[in-house]
Amino acid sequence: AQSVSQHNHHVILSEAASLELGCNYSYGGTVNLFWYVQYPGQHLQLLLKYFSGDPLVKGIKGFEAEFIKSKFSFNLRKPSVQWSDTAEYFCAVMNTGGFKTIFGAGTRLFVKA
Amino acid sequence: EAGVAQSPRYKIIEKRQSVAFWCNPISGHATLYWYQQILGQGPKLLIQFQNNGVVDDSQLPKDRFSAERLKGVDSTLKIQPAKLEDSAVYLCASPREGGLRTGELFFGEGSRLTVL
Repeated sequence: AQSVSQHNHHVILSEAASLELGCNYSYGGTVNLFWYVQYPGQHLQLLLKYFSGDPLVKGIKGFEAEFIKSKFSFNLRKPSVQWSDTAEYFCAVMNTGGFKTIFGAGTRLFVKA
Repeated sequence: EAGVAQSPRYKIIEKRQSVAFWCNPISGHATLYWYQQILGQGPKLLIQFQNNGVVDDSQLPKDRFSAERLKGVDSTLKIQPAKLEDSAVYLCASPREGGLRTGELFFGEGSRLTVL
C-alpha cells in the first residue's frame, strides 16, 4: 500500500536558519510528488510539485525540493527561513495509475523572530 | 476561477447525533474528494467522486459515514451517528483544471467538527 512518512513532527528554527524537512514514500510505480503548506488559519495550498524532468524543483517563497528516486525521498529545503514561514508542511504522493493523493502526517514549523 | 466552497466552517455536536457537511467544488470540475484531517495528522482520503459516481470509497467508514454528489456538482458528507473519534476537519478538494492526472489539488477551508 502507498504511504508517506515525514521524519519530523515539530521543528523550531530561528530566522535566517536553513530548513530541510524529510519525506519518504513507499510505492514502487511512477509517482507525482507534492509539498503543501497550511499557514495558521488558512487552507491547504500547494507549495511545489514534481511530475517529471529535473529532480530539483523550485516552488513559491524560495522553497525547493529534490526528488531522489533511489531513496524514495522528496525533501523540502529553504536556505534561509523567515518568521512568515511558520506553518504546517505536508508531503503528498500520487501514484499516476490511481489518481489518489496520499498525505504524510505533517511537520509543524515554528520560526522564531 | 472560484475556489472550493464548504459549509459549515464549524460544528459542535454530541456523540450519537448526526451532522452533514456541504461542498461546492471548482466550477466545472468533474472530480471531487473528501478528506478527514484529525488533529496532528495529515489529510486522509475518505471518498473520491468522478461526476456523480464514486471512484474510491475504500477508506470511508460506511457504517456511519455516507456521501453523495447529486447532479455531479455539489456534494454532501454525512455522519450518523457521530463518535468522539470523528472530531476532525473535513476537507473538500478539487484537482487543478486539467490536473486530474497530476494529483495537484485545491482545497476548501474545511469544516471543523467537534464531537462531545
